[in-house]
Amino acid sequence: QSALTQPPSASGSPGQSVTISCTGTSSDVGGYNYVSWYQQHPGKAPKLMIYEVSKRPSGVPDRFSGSKSGNTASLTVSGLQAEDEADYYCSSYAGSNDHVFGTGTKVTVL
Amino acid sequence: QVQLQESGPGLVKPSETLSLTCAVSGYSISSNYYWGWIRQPPGKGLEWIGSIYYSGSTFYNASLKSRVTISLDTSKNQFSLNLSSVTAADTAVYFCARHSIITWWYWGQGSLVTVSS
Repeated sequence: QSALTQPPSASGSPGQSVTISCTGTSSDVGGYNYVSWYQQHPGKAPKLMIYEVSKRPSGVPDRFSGSKSGNTASLTVSGLQAEDEADYYCSSYAGSNDHVFGTGTKVTVL
Repeated sequence: QVQLQESGPGLVKPSETLSLTCAVSGYSISSNYYWGWIRQPPGKGLEWIGSIYYSGSTFYNASLKSRVTISLDTSKNQFSLNLSSVTAADTAVYFCARHSIITWWYWGQGSLVTVSS
């Protein structure tokens, strides 16, 4: 199972929006509405931000939103804030109890 | 609140077996959910290693399957990872986590394991 493809980096100024893509195949992203997104600050554990493509766990700001089209999922962070600067990883179910993660995107707040 | 905490040696010699334990508090591992391991080499991305269902069924990453064993210890409310025949490529931060079949909900803080003689 190959890692999902994400851009290495993305950036935006405070208050702006940034969108991160996550591209897989019909065997993972395109085959299931089971994409999740994780935020990871340096030296910390990943934190769940979005699950099942577009659902937010309790406590996650509504500035974070998710979507999917075909084999590509996207995470949008609106109204960027300094604390949003982190690495972001997507993940998708790949069938038969298999899991695959994305390559990761470093978001910089300019 | 569910909490997970990894423990184990921080240094393992090449060709030996890496062993880590994940202690769980705030939830009984024998009640439900999957309990899994993920690793992150320094400066790199996340890699799923494998998971165990509360019933004891195990699921492993195909690329690691021949070297991985995950087990439950319900008496201590913890689960364990054994990775055999390690090399420098196995140097990573190892995370334990609770997940549904599709979403990783709760994570431990991570444990750095270095493979070196």
